[in-house]
Amino acid sequence: NAGVTQTPKFQVLKTGQSMTLQCAQDMNHEYMSWYRQDPGMGLRLIHYSVGAGITDQGEVPNGYNVSRSTTEDFPLRLLSAAPSQTSVYFCASSPRLGFYEQYFGPGTRLTVT
Amino acid sequence: GQQLNQSPQSMFIQEGEDVSMNCTSSSIFNTWLWYKQEPGEGPVLLIALYKAGELTSNGRLTAQFGITRKDSFLNISASIPSDVGIYFCAGPIGGADGLTFGKGTHLIIQP
Repeated sequence: NAGVTQTPKFQVLKTGQSMTLQCAQDMNHEYMSWYRQDPGMGLRLIHYSVGAGITDQGEVPNGYNVSRSTTEDFPLRLLSAAPSQTSVYFCASSPRLGFYEQYFGPGTRLTVT
Repeated sequence: GQQLNQSPQSMFIQEGEDVSMNCTSSSIFNTWLWYKQEPGEGPVLLIALYKAGELTSNGRLTAQFGITRKDSFLNISASIPSDVGIYFCAGPIGGADGLTFGKGTHLIIQP
């Protein structure tokens, strides 16, 4: 199993551009989530999904959209990037809702200029 | 929202020393998790705790779920160079289905 994979590894955007961060898992996990990590801030939950077709907001959802059309994939969309979205983004998954042992991907480092 | 306070922020130790770090919260937690993150990588789960007073080991790592359910502790015995990294505590967020993280303890091992 590859576990949780994320692409791209690095990305530079200009303010106002849009992009999609990709996340996939091959463990048949129901639960998937997105976090951002800023220096000195730990990880903060952006959005999560408890199954295909079901998404919900986390602690810091503004400026981000998600969808979950399949069990395997959970893309994160930035519709109009802002410098405040410069961060490292991690996708995570776990077998089901309420099972808190989450498996993290390697991250995407995003810089918005 | 809930905040997890980790201490110390950083530790400079000699190889072979034991390490202790802790995590406290103003809220009660039913689950405590300890993760390690190495540069350029995602966090990796080390230990999960589910019961107040629980003591769980993973090799040289031992973690405890505090009796008050508002704290947790992680100890590393006989540190080695590959222990270098950032150690995070985490617990379930109230009101959303995900984790809240502390700001991490940076472990640096001096030669």
